[in-house]
Amino acid sequence: DGGITQSPKYLFRKEGQNVTLSCEQNLNHDAMYWYRQDPGQGLRLIYYSQIVNDFQKGDIAEGYSVSREKKESFPLTVTSAQKNPTAFYLCASNNPQGLGKEKLFFGSGTQLSVL
Amino acid sequence: RKEVEQDPGPFNVPEGATVAFNCTYSNSASQSFFWYRQDCRKEPKLLMSVYSSGNEDGRFTAQLNRASQYISLLIRDSKLSDSATYLCVVNPGSYIPTFGRGTSLIVHP
Repeated sequence: DGGITQSPKYLFRKEGQNVTLSCEQNLNHDAMYWYRQDPGQGLRLIYYSQIVNDFQKGDIAEGYSVSREKKESFPLTVTSAQKNPTAFYLCASNNPQGLGKEKLFFGSGTQLSVL
Repeated sequence: RKEVEQDPGPFNVPEGATVAFNCTYSNSASQSFFWYRQDCRKEPKLLMSVYSSGNEDGRFTAQLNRASQYISLLIRDSKLSDSATYLCVVNPGSYIPTFGRGTSLIVHP
C-alpha cells in the first residue's frame, strides 16, 4: 500500500545537538511539506518542496534545514539554532496541480522533545 | 487578516446534536477546500473535499460560499467518536495548502 512513513515516532534532543527527522513517500507525489504543531495550535509550515532538488522556506524556517535529493525523500534537520524545538512534526505530500489530486497525505508524525 | 480563520472553540455538545463550524479565507483565488479531522497527537485525516458549492457524506455536509469566502462543516446526530479537532485547509492559487488553527469539538453523553 502506498503512503508516507515518518520516523522516528519519538525523538529526544540534547542541547546543542542537530537531529534529523525522516520522511519517505511511495505515492509518486511531486510536492512534500514539513509542518510543526504546538499544543492547541494549528499546523505551521516549515519548508516545502515542489520538485526534486528544490525547496522553499515556509513561515517558520529559522533553525531548520531540509534536502530533496530524491522524489521519495524529504528529511528535516532540526539544528541547534532552533531554541524551542519541542513540538509535533508532520510530513505531508500531494500533487498540487490538478483539481482533485491536491489533497494532502500525512505521515503519522514525530514528537520531538528536548532533554 | 489571517489567510484562513477558524473559531478554536471548544464546541461542547450532547450526543445527537447538530453542530456547525465555519472557516473564512482571505484569498479569493482559492480553488479547493478541505476539512480534515485530527485526534490528539495523530496525523490529520481527510474528512471531506469541497470543490463546488458543497459536498455531503452521511452525517457530514460541507458547503462553500465563494461570495462571502467561507466554508462550513455541519455534523448531524453527533457521536462521542466525533470528538476531535477539525481543520480547515484552503488551496490558493500558489498551490501551498494553508491551514486554519482548527476547531475543537467535544461530544458528551
